[in-house]
Amino acid sequence: EVQLVQSGAEVKKPGESLKISCKGSGYSFASYWIGWVRQMPGKGLEWMGIIYPGDSDTRYSPSFQGQVTISADKSISTAYLQWSSLKASDTAMYYCARQGYCSGGTCYVLFDYWGQGTLVTVSS
Amino acid sequence: DIQMTQSPSSLSTSVGDRVTITCRASQSISSYLNWYQQKPGKAPKLLIYAASSLQSGVPSRFSGSGSGTDFTLTISSLQPEDFATYYCQQSYSTPFTFGPGTKVDIK
Repeated sequence: EVQLVQSGAEVKKPGESLKISCKGSGYSFASYWIGWVRQMPGKGLEWMGIIYPGDSDTRYSPSFQGQVTISADKSISTAYLQWSSLKASDTAMYYCARQGYCSGGTCYVLFDYWGQGTLVTVSS
Repeated sequence: DIQMTQSPSSLSTSVGDRVTITCRASQSISSYLNWYQQKPGKAPKLLIYAASSLQSGVPSRFSGSGSGTDFTLTISSLQPEDFATYYCQQSYSTPFTFGPGTKVDIK
């Protein structure tokens, strides 16, 4: 069974650093892109970026480039999202999701499995 | 970036109704369009990919159509468990942007 399990909720102060995680199981972690999606309170979904754990190829949304760092450690099937200096506006739920599905020789870009979400609260 | 819009932003409807949600891309994305359902406090769930392919396990009352810039998600007969927010997502080019969502609630 494919599962993505994210780290627990975090409460941080502005200016602090943070790294949250997403551990995959039940599939070949290195062979599928993992994406991160932000959902601010009461708002919609925002695509932040993706990483291919096999070679750490990473793509960012211009909106998030330079604001966060996406990384992965394929040896422990875990992807990460990190901030060096949090702001109050980073308060949100963050989801990781597996991107990609192949069938009959065709591969599709989609998020088919999602983590449970990590709530990040930044407040002084 | 490709911008995605959805209409309506919300709709109030009843069990058994036919529901149609529209998604429009700012440029042609061929059939590279996905639909997700999200219920409060839960992660999104993939419903439709490649504009019209039904994800495994998703009820057949959900269907998708369209290509180019205009797409629709149709729920043929709304069930109580379908009250949720629906998002489209383009998968044509990065960033793979989502639409703003359409909230379907009970009339």
